[in-house]
Amino acid sequence: AQSVSQHNHHVILSEAASLELGCNYSYGGTVNLFWYVQYPGQHLQLLLKYFSGDPLVKGIKGFEAEFIKSKFSFNLRKPSVQWSDTAEYFCAVKLINTDKLIFGTGTRLQVFP
Amino acid sequence: EPEVTQTPSHQVTQMGQEVILRCVPISNHLYFYWYRQILGQKVEFLVSFYNNEISEKSEIFDDQFSVERPDGSNFTLKIRSTKLEDSAMYFCASSRATGVNTEAFFGQGTRLTVV
Repeated sequence: AQSVSQHNHHVILSEAASLELGCNYSYGGTVNLFWYVQYPGQHLQLLLKYFSGDPLVKGIKGFEAEFIKSKFSFNLRKPSVQWSDTAEYFCAVKLINTDKLIFGTGTRLQVFP
Repeated sequence: EPEVTQTPSHQVTQMGQEVILRCVPISNHLYFYWYRQILGQKVEFLVSFYNNEISEKSEIFDDQFSVERPDGSNFTLKIRSTKLEDSAMYFCASSRATGVNTEAFFGQGTRLTVV
C-alpha cells in the first residue's frame, strides 16, 4: 500500500537555526506532493506543492522543498527558522488516479527564541 | 481570502449517540472531502464527494458514516452511533477540481470526543 513517512516526529530548534524535515513516499508512479502546516488552533494551510517541472519549489514564509524522484523524497527546508514557525508540519502525496491525499504522521516543530 | 469553515470546533458526545459535523466549503468549489486524525496518528482520508455522490471512500468509512450536502453551502459528516474510537480531529476540505495538479483547502477541524 502507498505510504508517506516523516522520520522526524518532534524537532526542537533555536531561532535562526536551519531546518530540514524529511518526507519519503512509497509509490512508483506520478504523484503530486504537498507540505501543509498547522499552527496551534488553526486550519491546515498549504506551504508549498510540487506538480511538475523544477524539482526545487518555493513556498510561503521562506520555505522550500526539493523533489528527488530517485529517492522518493520531498524534504522541506528553511535556512533560518523563527519562533512563529512553531507548528505541526505534514507531508502529503496525491496519486494521479485518486482524489485522496495520503499524509505522513506529521512533525511537531518547536522553535525557541 | 475564502476559507473552509467547520462547526463546532469541539464536540463531546456519549457513546452510541449520533453526531453531525458541519462544514462550509469554499463557495466555488465542487469537490468535498472529510479526513480525520486520531491523536498521535496520521491524517487519514475518509471520503470524497462530488455532484451529490460519494466518489471515493476509505475502509474507515463504514455504514456508521454518511455525508450529505443538504443545501448549496453546507457539507456534513454524520456518525450514526459513535464509538470511543471515533474520537479524533475531523477535517473538512474542498477543491475546485480534482485529479492531478489540483490542491485541497482545509478547515480548522472539529475535535470530536466520545465518552
